Amino acid sequence: AQSVTQLGSHVSVSEGALVLLRCNYSSSVPPYLFWYVQYPNQGLQLLLKYTSAATLVKGINGFEAEFKKSETSFHLTKPSAHMSDAAEYFCAVSDLRGKLIFGQGTELSVKP
Amino acid sequence: DVKVTQSSRYLVKRTGEKVFLECVQDMDHENMFWYRQDPGLGLRLIYFSYDVKMKEKGDIPEGYSVSREKKERFSLILESASTNQTSMYLCASSLESGAAYEQYFGPGTRLTVT
Repeated sequence: AQSVTQLGSHVSVSEGALVLLRCNYSSSVPPYLFWYVQYPNQGLQLLLKYTSAATLVKGINGFEAEFKKSETSFHLTKPSAHMSDAAEYFCAVSDLRGKLIFGQGTELSVKP
Repeated sequence: DVKVTQSSRYLVKRTGEKVFLECVQDMDHENMFWYRQDPGLGLRLIYFSYDVKMKEKGDIPEGYSVSREKKERFSLILESASTNQTSMYLCASSLESGAAYEQYFGPGTRLTVT
């Protein structure tokens, strides 16, 4: 069975600091991995996805994630946090039919 | 741009009422999904549909049913609402079946059952 674990339900950073949101997955098949962002009172929006083409994936709004098979990780990073990055972030793994299994979510706060 | 719309942003219903949540997508997607979102639990799949009139149970189908009579519309039905169904409900769609296809989400319906 596939699963996703996001380490840290809340992460707080200062504006301009590095953002690092952690995601570890478990999958018996080569995984397809996704990061979604949810701004307050909105649905989820795709940030980026890994589909085995390249291990470093660049997404929208300056975010990127690196797939590390040996560590079963897909951590999300951004070099410099902006106030507008405050949101909840979800990591997900897809099964072969396209059903997503989500992590518990990480709420990112950005302090001025 | 893909657009997924949900019939209500906020809904308040009484225990025992029959509740319909509607979802419409405008991009001819084959797959549609219903999730509920609760704090600390992430999103959990209730039902999904991979074709008109086809449906499959997700991880938490108890107390829910679905209907997909037309390709663009996927309805979630709470036959007899209970307070433990108070939650945020999110609809999503994807182009085809397959691991590489991302899902597109609607804005969500926050349902309160009193």
